[in-house]
This record gives sequence, C-alpha cells and structure tokens, in this order.
Amino acid sequence: TQLLEQSPQFLSIQEGENLTVYCNSSSVFSSLQWYRQEPGEGPVLLVTVVTGGEVKKLKRLTFQFGDARKDSSLHITAAQPGDTGLYLCAGLKTSYDKVIFGPGTSLSVIP
Amino acid sequence: EPEVTQTPSHQVTQMGQEVILHCVPISNHLYFYWYRQILGQKVEFLVSFYNNEISEKSEIFDDQFSVERPDGSNFTLKIRSTKLEDSAMYFCASIETPYEQYFGPGTRLTVT
Repeated sequence: TQLLEQSPQFLSIQEGENLTVYCNSSSVFSSLQWYRQEPGEGPVLLVTVVTGGEVKKLKRLTFQFGDARKDSSLHITAAQPGDTGLYLCAGLKTSYDKVIFGPGTSLSVIP
Repeated sequence: EPEVTQTPSHQVTQMGQEVILHCVPISNHLYFYWYRQILGQKVEFLVSFYNNEISEKSEIFDDQFSVERPDGSNFTLKIRSTKLEDSAMYFCASIETPYEQYFGPGTRLTVT
C-alpha cells in the first residue's frame, strides 16, 4: 500500500508568519505534487517536482523534493489570509499514473 | 483557460437506485480518471481510462461501478445500485501533459 502522510494536520498562524508543511512516504515516487483544495471544489495543482533534491519557487511558496524521492515540503513565507485552505500532497509512480493523495493539511491564516 | 466540467453539481438519490455522473474532459486530453472523496477523508482513486478501456481500477471500483466514453467528449461514471456509503464527492480528471492532471469541480452524491 502506497501511503502519503502529512504533518501537521491542522495549522493556524498569524498573518505574516512563515510555515512549513511536510509530506512523507515509505515509497519512492517519480514525482510529488502539491494541490490546494477549497471547500466543495476539486483539487488544483500548484506544483510538480520530479527530480530528487529539486526546489521550486512560486512567489511566496517554496517546494522541495527529497533526495530519496520519498518526501516533500511546502514552505510559505509571510503567510496571508488568502493562503487559507487545504493543502494536499500527492505522488505519482509514472507520468500518467493515478494520483495518490495524502490526507491534507488544513491551513488557517488569521488576519 | 480550458477546464474539466462535471454535471450535476449535486445529485440526491435513494439507496438502490442507479446514478450516472457526467464529465466533459479537456479537449485533446487522452487519459481520464475518476476519484472520490468521502466527507472529511482523503481523495481516493477509482479508475483510469485510456484508449477506450480501463487501464487501472482500485478495490473500490467493484462490479457496481462502470465507466464509459460514449462519444468524443463525455466521460461517465455509473453506479448501478447505490449504497449509503457511496455518498461522496466524485471528481473527474484528465491529462495531456505528463503528471499534470486537471480536476473538475466535482459532483456531490448523496444517497439516502
């Protein structure tokens, strides 16, 4: 069974603070992804990392893929209330494979 | 920007009834998927479809489930005899570029 774990499960921080969300697995993936999901909507892809050790930046978001291709992290700098939402880590074994989702991290940024 | 669309947005049905959930994937995409998300739980894979046949299915996708691509644009999920535990959000997804699946907004299925 291929499982992805995320920590923390819930996170509540003040506007302007930094945060990091972690995603871990015992399995090796060809890529790890991060999605954001709003209540009642489908997941929206934020980033895909495919190379072990890869780091990608999207404005205030930094994503890292572990060297062993089993873990990833999402770091948000200077969080804003608009960052509030459910962040899902996901993995794929091959490029057109099913997406295996983690349980999600619910982030709340308080103004 | 192209998007995956799903109808209806909310479907209420009685236990034992058949339901068909509709999806229109992004044009030119060749791989299609169904996922479900029970309230408060993680998104789970149901089935993948390519070249007019199922390429992979999960343990959840038993004989009560079927998928079809009846024409060049629609992709449907049928549940023959719904159970209470089938209540969930059902998401359709499609892909063209490797790794980049686009998810639809979902259909909320409520079985009473």
